[in-house]
Amino acid sequence: AQSVAQPEDQVNVAEGNPLTVKCTYSVSGNPYLFWYVQYPNRGLQFLLKYITGDNLVKGSYGFEAEFNKSQTSFHLKKPSALVSDSALYFCAVRNTGGFKTIFGAGTRLFVKA
Amino acid sequence: EAGVAQSPRYKIIEKRQSVAFWCNPISGHATLYWYQQILGQGPKLLIQFQNNGVVDDSQLPKDRFSAERLKGVDSTLKIQPAKLEDSAVYLCASSLDFAGLFGETQYFGPGTRLLVL
Repeated sequence: AQSVAQPEDQVNVAEGNPLTVKCTYSVSGNPYLFWYVQYPNRGLQFLLKYITGDNLVKGSYGFEAEFNKSQTSFHLKKPSALVSDSALYFCAVRNTGGFKTIFGAGTRLFVKA
Repeated sequence: EAGVAQSPRYKIIEKRQSVAFWCNPISGHATLYWYQQILGQGPKLLIQFQNNGVVDDSQLPKDRFSAERLKGVDSTLKIQPAKLEDSAVYLCASSLDFAGLFGETQYFGPGTRLLVL
């Protein structure tokens, strides 16, 4: 069965510092991995995805994520956080050939000025 | 390009009443998804359509929830009768590619926030 774990309910970081939001997954076969962001009273917005190829994926708003197959992780990173990055972040996984995308419980990122 | 549209944005009903949500996906998107997002949790897939056919409805409580996607475009999700535990945000999403074959990106609507009293 597929599963996604986001071990931190909340991540706090000062503006200008690097940020990391963690995600680990379990899936049979090869995964498709996604990061979405949710702002208050809005739907989820796509940030980036890993399908195949280079393990480092670059996405919107300066975010990037690194696929690590041996550790089954797909952590979201940004070199320099902005206050406007404060939001709820969801990691999601789908196995290749599967029909269902499984979302993690979300991690709230709080960036302090 | 217009995004995924949903209505209403908010709905308050009493338990045992019925409610319906509407979704219009991005033009040309073959796959449409309905998710339930309970406060503090990630979205949970309720039903997934490929054009007007159901791909996955394994987590849809079929004794009270129903959904249709007539003509393979817009979709309606209905709850009848509603229970207190149905209070959640109902998200609609769509994607261009066929379900499951590619790492397609899902595009989400703003959601409908349902409160059952």
